[in-house]
Amino acid sequence: SQQGEEDPQALSIQEGENATMNCSYKTSINNLQWYRQNSGRGLVHLILIRSNEREKHSGRLRVTLDTSKKSSSLLITASRAADTASYFCATVNTGANSKLTFGKGITLSVRP
Amino acid sequence: DTEVTQTPKHLVMGMTNKKSLKCEQHMGHRAMYWYKQKAKKPPELMFVYSYEKLSINESVPSRFSPECPNSSLLNLHLHALQPEDSALYLCASSQVGRRGYSPLHFGNGTRLTVT
Repeated sequence: SQQGEEDPQALSIQEGENATMNCSYKTSINNLQWYRQNSGRGLVHLILIRSNEREKHSGRLRVTLDTSKKSSSLLITASRAADTASYFCATVNTGANSKLTFGKGITLSVRP
Repeated sequence: DTEVTQTPKHLVMGMTNKKSLKCEQHMGHRAMYWYKQKAKKPPELMFVYSYEKLSINESVPSRFSPECPNSSLLNLHLHALQPEDSALYLCASSQVGRRGYSPLHFGNGTRLTVT
C-alpha cells in the first residue's frame, strides 16, 4: 500500500530554475527518503531525513520534514537537464515490521 | 551503473513457461529485496530477505517464488504467470542494522513481458 503522496504529480521548469516537490504521508515514521528514477532504470537514493530532523542538505538538494503536518519537501536548486527524472518519497514506518513504502512519484522535466 | 546487477535486462515469456530472474550484489549487504513496478507507478514491495532468510512476503501469489542461495545472490523464480504480471522487477539491497535507516541500492531491473 502507498504511504506518501507527492505533489505536484508533474513539474516542468527551465534549466537554472529551482524545483520544489512535496510529499505527504499518513502514519508515524522513522525516517523519510527521497529517490530518483531515470526512465527505465533503477532507483537511486538521494537523501534520508530522520523523524527528529527538520532539514537536511546534500549538494543542490534540500529536504525539509514537518512531522506535525506529516509532510516533506525536496528542493533542487539550479536545476539541470540531467535532473529530468521521476522522484519518489518513501517512508519507513515505526513499529516491529517497518518497511520502506513509496509514494506515487513526481515527474520532473527540466527544459534546456 | 549500479552495484546491484540484475539479469536478464529483458524477458519475454509465455504463461506456461518457467523462468528465473537473478540479482547479485557485492557490497556486503545482508538485506535483499524484490520490488515490482508497473508503468508510471511506484515500486511495490514483494519480498524481503534478511541474512538469507525470508522476513517479509507481501502476500505475493505463489507463482512468484523467491530464493536467496547466499548473501550475494537473490533469485525470483517465475511459473505460470499472467499477462498482468508484466512489469519492471527491481532488486535492491541494503545493510541490516537499525531497521529502515539504511538506504536501498537498486539494480536497473528486469523488464518482464508475459504473453
